[in-house]
Amino acid sequence: EVQLQQSGAELGKPGTSVKLSCKVSGYNIRNTYMHWVNQRPGKGLEWIGRIDPANGNTIYAEKFKSKATLTADTSSNTAYMQLSQLKSDDTAIYFCAMKHPFAYWGQGTLVTVSS
Amino acid sequence: DVLMTQTPVSLPVSLGGQVSISCRSSQSLVHSDGNTYLHWYLQKPGQSPQLLIYRVSNRFSGVPDRFSGSGSGTDFTLKISRVEPEDLGVYYCLQSTHFPYTFGAGTKLELK
Repeated sequence: EVQLQQSGAELGKPGTSVKLSCKVSGYNIRNTYMHWVNQRPGKGLEWIGRIDPANGNTIYAEKFKSKATLTADTSSNTAYMQLSQLKSDDTAIYFCAMKHPFAYWGQGTLVTVSS
Repeated sequence: DVLMTQTPVSLPVSLGGQVSISCRSSQSLVHSDGNTYLHWYLQKPGQSPQLLIYRVSNRFSGVPDRFSGSGSGTDFTLKISRVEPEDLGVYYCLQSTHFPYTFGAGTKLELK
């Protein structure tokens, strides 16, 4: 059974960074792209970007190019997303998803940005 | 970016009824490989989205045949027949033909 287990909720201060993880079991992430999607409170879904864990190649939505950094560790079958220079409007739930078109999703990580 | 316009925003339904949700894109979703990468998801309250339909009309594993997708080019529809309580939630369309991938704003299916 394929499962994506995301790291726990984060509380970050403005201007700092947080790093989220998404550990996959039941499937080798070398064989898929790992995507990240966010959902601001009470809002819809927004695609952030994807990484090819086999070679580290990434594609980002323009608005996230200086905000998010996607990485992956194939030895632990885990994808990561670092969010930098946090602002209040980065407060959101962040999902990882894989096996396009997003057949499998993590449970989401709530990131709250507050001083 | 491709704008995905989903209508209606809210959709009241009676159990056992039938509904349709529209998703229109600002440009054609036909990929150079000939496929159309338009997909549908349901997000239930407090849950992650779940894939229902991929590439316009293909039901994902385990999705009941009450769900059907159709359309082409820039105009797509999700139909749900014999609505059941577990169908309630927010439905999203997604295009993955063009980068960046873009979602519709969502349609909330709720009881009348």
